[in-house]
Amino acid sequence: DAGVIQSPRHEVTEMGQEVTLRCKPISGHDYLFWYRQTMMRGLELLIYFNNNVPIDDSGMPEDRFSAKMPNASFSTLKIQPSEPRDSAVYFCASSPGAEVGQPQHFGDGTRLSIL
Amino acid sequence: AQSVTQLDSQVPVFEEAPVELRCNYSSSVSVYLFWYVQYPNQGLQLLLKYLSGSTLVKGINGFEAEFNKSQTSFHLRKPSVHISDTAEYFCAVSDSGGYQKVTFGTGTKLQVIP
Repeated sequence: DAGVIQSPRHEVTEMGQEVTLRCKPISGHDYLFWYRQTMMRGLELLIYFNNNVPIDDSGMPEDRFSAKMPNASFSTLKIQPSEPRDSAVYFCASSPGAEVGQPQHFGDGTRLSIL
Repeated sequence: AQSVTQLDSQVPVFEEAPVELRCNYSSSVSVYLFWYVQYPNQGLQLLLKYLSGSTLVKGINGFEAEFNKSQTSFHLRKPSVHISDTAEYFCAVSDSGGYQKVTFGTGTKLQVIP
């Protein structure tokens, strides 16, 4: 079975450019999560969706960040304009919604470097 | 609100020695507890989980964890580590509020020394 698929795996771009990260969750999973991982702050939850609807975006650092989930099989995280401090590994994860306590399934992440 | 504390940021251990990675949690309601492992350049993978029942939980790769409600702990153990266990380990908690939101600890890097 295919796991969570993220693209691109690596992204290097210059400050001020728009960055779009993509995620395809596991089919049938009702929850989708975006995380950011840095050495200084560890793993931070940015936003999560349930049935394509954003439930909690309190972790989104500022208005430069936005996330969408237009359908059950696709989500994007966009940064516009990007800044060097946005450099991090961004993970997407999905989870089934049938029972509480279900584990999250992570993609391999997008390593973002803003120069 | 729920929170997780991993007391050790790094744990070096010799190959074939036992290891314990510590995790304490805080929550006002019943909790579900998880340990995840992250290998270099990969996402997190589930090692084991506690939802209810027996307080000793066995996971993949020979790991086990014990839920201790009185001490609000969920420590991860392995009796004999291998080089391949070198990775970062995350403890996580999810409460019974009906949402899938999980709070992760700051991680413990396990370094197995040959």
